[in-house]
Amino acid sequence: GAVVSQHPSRVICKSGTSVKIECRSLDFQATTMFWYRQFPKKSLMLMATSNEGSKATYEQGVEKDKFLINHASLTLSTLTVTSAHPEDSSFYICSAYSGTGDGYTFGSGTRLTVV
Amino acid sequence: GESVGLHLPTLSVQEGDNSIINCAYSNSASDYFIWYKQESGKGPQFIIDIRSNMDKRQGQRVTVLLNKTVKHLSLQIAATQPGDSAVYFCAENRLGGYQKVTFGTGTKLQVIP
Repeated sequence: GAVVSQHPSRVICKSGTSVKIECRSLDFQATTMFWYRQFPKKSLMLMATSNEGSKATYEQGVEKDKFLINHASLTLSTLTVTSAHPEDSSFYICSAYSGTGDGYTFGSGTRLTVV
Repeated sequence: GESVGLHLPTLSVQEGDNSIINCAYSNSASDYFIWYKQESGKGPQFIIDIRSNMDKRQGQRVTVLLNKTVKHLSLQIAATQPGDSAVYFCAENRLGGYQKVTFGTGTKLQVIP
């Protein structure tokens, strides 16, 4: 089946630094990937839709300069949290449209802690 | 705005009993619904889906019911097992691929051995 690999699974960084999270489709090509954010005991909130070769589409209220998305290839999308602050601490999850099952395969998530 | 929500935040069920998790949606344009299971610290896992032209779909130990009249769907898990303990999300989407998936608030299912 379709597999989406997300890396790192956990990261701790200092305030003011930037962190990059990678989302890879391992056995299929994904022209569209999605980035979600999840707070403890809450639902997944879509942040942006990542389109290969073009600019990402951000949801209302999401700062595009804060959360930089790059989808340079058909198998890789990256989310960079710039100048991270403690309030950016969260669980970030990516998904890719694979066309199998319901069509959407999710990564295992990245736990970001900003200290 | 449009939303997908759940009635119960936590559901405790005895092992072997059937579980029913409910979900209400408000976007009448939604034509595709998905149930996901999320275990602690992991990404969502697809369970079952249903299109708006159906009112019932069955999988292995799971059944999804859709009532478009009242914009309600439910997930039924037969003979609930400890491994079913997780948070369950309903989600809505539009058919056609590449569409964003909107998640509901989630229900935590606790299976009592």
